[in-house]
Amino acid sequence: DTAVSQTPKYLVTQMGNDKSIKCEQNLGHDTMYWYKQDSKKFLKIMFSYNNKELIINETVPNRFSPKSPDKAHLNLHINSLELGDSAVYFCASSHGTGNTQYFGPGTRLLVL
Amino acid sequence: EDKVVQSPLSLVVHEGDTVTLNCSYEVTNFRSLLWYKQEKKAPTFLFMLTSSGIEKKSGRLSSILDKKELFSILNITATQTGDSAIYLCAVEPPRGAQKLVFGQGTRLTINP
Repeated sequence: DTAVSQTPKYLVTQMGNDKSIKCEQNLGHDTMYWYKQDSKKFLKIMFSYNNKELIINETVPNRFSPKSPDKAHLNLHINSLELGDSAVYFCASSHGTGNTQYFGPGTRLLVL
Repeated sequence: EDKVVQSPLSLVVHEGDTVTLNCSYEVTNFRSLLWYKQEKKAPTFLFMLTSSGIEKKSGRLSSILDKKELFSILNITATQTGDSAIYLCAVEPPRGAQKLVFGQGTRLTINP
């Protein structure tokens, strides 16, 4: 199946831990994104990579670090998790910027 | 598997025309349906619909949900060039999942 996939789908962890969320797309896209969905369903962009280069880096704590090993993958590493990091994180990809973004299924992160 | 399908995938009209965008879904125990407008960066939230038959309105945009037939429409009247965007429909599955299932989007182009 051609799609954007994320792992894990659910992540429950203790405050202070370090965790990673992985994203992969097999759509041949060259641009990938990470979003945080807040409680009001707004999607806030965090990062965007085009051809493995960072092109959008919104104001997020530097505890969040994206890594793009290749065009098909964009992982999100979070250090020293805090309660406020609890949210759903969506990965998306597109062909170039300004085109339709295809969203992954989301990762529900719960920090206890 | 939960599924959201939007149509048309692409639509080009002239300024002043009225457009109707469609979103159908197959989601068990559905909670809400959301419409987003995606321009250059992150999608911006337009509407959240939870009840069937109740129209939500915001200026020239309106949307309605039919939970019996499992679809929603987004209407834009007196379109303007600034309405050109990708419109995304997303469905929220049951309580506890708190994630969104996105459709593939409709690219709307308004020509002067």
